[in-house]
Amino acid sequence: QLHLQESGPGLVKPSETLSLTCTVSGGSISSSAYYWGWVRQPPGKGLEWIGSIYYSGTTYHNPSLKSRVTISVDTSKNQFFLKMSSVTAADTAVYYCVTPHDQAFDIWGQGTMVTVSA
Amino acid sequence: SYELTQPPSVSVSPGQTASFTCSGDELTNKYACWYQKRPGQSPLLVIYQDYKRPSGIPERFSGSNSGNTATLTIGGTQAVDEAEYYCQAWDNNTVIFGGGTQLTVL
Repeated sequence: QLHLQESGPGLVKPSETLSLTCTVSGGSISSSAYYWGWVRQPPGKGLEWIGSIYYSGTTYHNPSLKSRVTISVDTSKNQFFLKMSSVTAADTAVYYCVTPHDQAFDIWGQGTMVTVSA
Repeated sequence: SYELTQPPSVSVSPGQTASFTCSGDELTNKYACWYQKRPGQSPLLVIYQDYKRPSGIPERFSGSNSGNTATLTIGGTQAVDEAEYYCQAWDNNTVIFGGGTQLTVL
């Protein structure tokens, strides 16, 4: 059974870059059976998909965030990453790493709260 | 861009049936799935590919998708089902979430 765990700073200053890591256990991140993604939920708001990366390295992003988001994988560490540049208070949210199966996110990390504030 | 629309709230009494709708243009041509989101917890997939239940999800959860509307139904709603419910679909390699519906069990 796959298990995902997010990690990263809980506080980021405005205009800086948010960096999060998702560590995968219970399976290989380079397996063609999986792909990986990020979802967030700002306080009091709904779920928002950020982007996904496939084992081939192909990435897809939310069009509203695309220019600020980079998703990458380190197969040697069984980790994948989210970088979001030029953050503002609107990027304050709980960030989840996810992996889909049959076009649905069946496995979620526990989530990590990121606050953007000076 | 593609959008999924959900009503903001649904209220039912314990034991009654709760129905949640999710509307999108020709949604029947896409797979819809549903998540339960309780405060402080990660979302839980309750329905995928329109009507399939993941292992461990009670049989009282069911789904359908026809025309422009996907529907999640909880039969015999229990207090433990009180949560926010989100629909989700894929459109051109992007993931779309509905705005969520808060279920109150009175």
